[in-house]
Amino acid sequence: DAKTTQPTSMDCAEGRAANLPCNHSTISGNEYVYWYRQIHSQGPQYIIHGLKNNETNEMASLIITEDRKSSTLILPHATLRDTAVYYCIVRPRQNEGGATNKLIFGTGTLLAVQP
Amino acid sequence: NAGVTQTPKFRVLKTGQSMTLLCAQDMNHEYMYWYRQDPGMGLRLIHYSVGEGTTAKGEVPDGYNVSRLKKQNFLLGLESAAPSQTSVYFCASTHQRLASYEQYFGPGTRLTVT
Repeated sequence: DAKTTQPTSMDCAEGRAANLPCNHSTISGNEYVYWYRQIHSQGPQYIIHGLKNNETNEMASLIITEDRKSSTLILPHATLRDTAVYYCIVRPRQNEGGATNKLIFGTGTLLAVQP
Repeated sequence: NAGVTQTPKFRVLKTGQSMTLLCAQDMNHEYMYWYRQDPGMGLRLIHYSVGEGTTAKGEVPDGYNVSRLKKQNFLLGLESAAPSQTSVYFCASTHQRLASYEQYFGPGTRLTVT
């Protein structure tokens, strides 16, 4: 699985958009970009995933560059409850290339939403 | 629908003691996983299972054993606990054919080995 690089921490003002970058320059053609977050002391929570097109759901938007070497997770209107560690993970989709849906977590980005 | 539940929530063991952590899911998921998370670090995969009766090693399997006798349950055993196994343990599950392949995580078990 490709490795990812994320900033250790970021701050964001409440109500503003939070833009969390992720570098995955060694991503291969069959690997998707997944984002999870972990609020303090809780289990991780799935946010969104994508291959090469931008994606949006009720939680966030995912912008993937054309060369797929980096991506940005956007929380459009951050709230205090969005304070968490955000993990960017790249992996093949299940059953592609013998994958078994394993997730390899890095240390993520600690997003602190300030009032 | 309770999702993924873990038992117990907290436990303190003495070195050399044994225990079993229970993970249960009511979503009929085929795949189940055990992770550990040490302070300031991301999650690391211990063992996983792709179906009832099957298990496989993850990144850090040493010192742990697992069993998946029933589809809904995934047990993690520590035969002889060591202080290095002090950690928060998370269980997760996913459906083989779920479109997003998202993993659903339990609330965690906080284990301290003294």
